[in-house]
Amino acid sequence: GQNIDQPTEMTATEGAIVQINCTYQTSGFNGLFWYQQHAGEAPTFLSYNVLDGLEEKGRFSSFLSRSKGYSYLLLKELQMKDSASYLCAVRDSNYQLIWGAGTKLIIKP
Amino acid sequence: IAGITQAPTSQILAAGRRMTLRCTQDMRHNAMYWYRQDLGLGLRLIHYSNTAGTTGKGEVPDGYSVSRANTDDFHLTLASAVPSQTSVYFCASSDSSGGGTDTQYFGPGTRLTVL
Repeated sequence: GQNIDQPTEMTATEGAIVQINCTYQTSGFNGLFWYQQHAGEAPTFLSYNVLDGLEEKGRFSSFLSRSKGYSYLLLKELQMKDSASYLCAVRDSNYQLIWGAGTKLIIKP
Repeated sequence: IAGITQAPTSQILAAGRRMTLRCTQDMRHNAMYWYRQDLGLGLRLIHYSNTAGTTGKGEVPDGYSVSRANTDDFHLTLASAVPSQTSVYFCASSDSSGGGTDTQYFGPGTRLTVL
């Protein structure tokens, strides 16, 4: 079967750095997405990786290793507004997105 | 309209009743999707449509049907609601015409409770 694994919950301090990991086992790979979802709201797109390596976008970076079935989202200079769930999704060989259950990130002052 | 809208925002429904969740996008995206999101689970695809007039089944299609009469509208119908269909329903769309990342953009969601 297809599987996306992420930690259920993480806690970090305002101003610090946090890394959220995602491992996947899917039938085929056509890209990996990270989304942010605040409580009660819709998921919003953060980043996309299809080749190995690091993609940087402001305070957020996303890394991919296809050979290891592994990605991480790195959030720097954490702000209180970064408190949210972070969803990892992989596009499989059928071109459908397979979603992880999400990582709830709690930021403490 | 900017992006994707969904209606209603929330609904409480008696079991056995019929319900249609509506979704409209103004981005001229060719592909549209319906997901449900339940606590502790990832988003699960119910149905999708790659272009107006065509639809396909996702991971959890049973008990649901969809219609895509034109590019903008993609509606989800529960013919006879059951309590296990209590969930938050998200509509999404993407431009899958090629050359891009085919990123999915989401509507605000419909919170449905079936009693």
